[in-house]
Amino acid sequence: AQSVTQLDSHVSVSEGTPVLLRCNYSSSYSPSLFWYVQHPNKGLQLLLKYTSAATLVKGINGFEAEFKKSETSFHLTKPSAHMSDAAEYFCVVSEGNFNKFYFGSGTKLNVKP
Amino acid sequence: NAGVTQTPKFQVLKTGQSMTLQCAQDMNHEYMSWYRQDPGMGLRLIHYSVGAGITDQGEVPNGYNVSRSTTEDFPLRLLSAAPSQTSVYFCASSRGTTIYFGEGSWLTVV
Repeated sequence: AQSVTQLDSHVSVSEGTPVLLRCNYSSSYSPSLFWYVQHPNKGLQLLLKYTSAATLVKGINGFEAEFKKSETSFHLTKPSAHMSDAAEYFCVVSEGNFNKFYFGSGTKLNVKP
Repeated sequence: NAGVTQTPKFQVLKTGQSMTLQCAQDMNHEYMSWYRQDPGMGLRLIHYSVGAGITDQGEVPNGYNVSRSTTEDFPLRLLSAAPSQTSVYFCASSRGTTIYFGEGSWLTVV
């Protein structure tokens, strides 16, 4: 069975400081993992995805994530936060045939000036 | 290239009313799905379809009905709306490793 746990419901950082959003998963298969971002009252935008290629995945807007199988983790990082990064972030895991996607409960990122 | 199109974007219903959320995709994707988003719970799968004529239940199917008569369309029906169905609904289509979402439909049941 697939499940996703986002360890922090809220994260607050100062502009210019690093961002770390944590995600752990459980999967019976070799998972595909994704991070999506949602700005207030907007739809979902794909940040990056891992599909069994390189374990360090680079995404848009300077975000990256590292797949660590031994830790069943897929944490999202960014070296320097920008005010425009304030949004809700979702970690997502997919079954092998990609017709089901399981979402974490989300992490709201607040960026302080 | 429209991607995934959902209508309506906003809707207010009275308890007991029925309505259909429309979803269409122009990417010829086999897989389509409906999710609802509630605060603190992420997105939860309502129903999904792996192709025309084939649908199945997700995590939270009660109170919803779907059909897939064509590859392009995957409407979601609320047969008798309840306040617990107040939520944001997202339609999605997928092929391979990427899922494409619609812009969302904000539904309020009073």
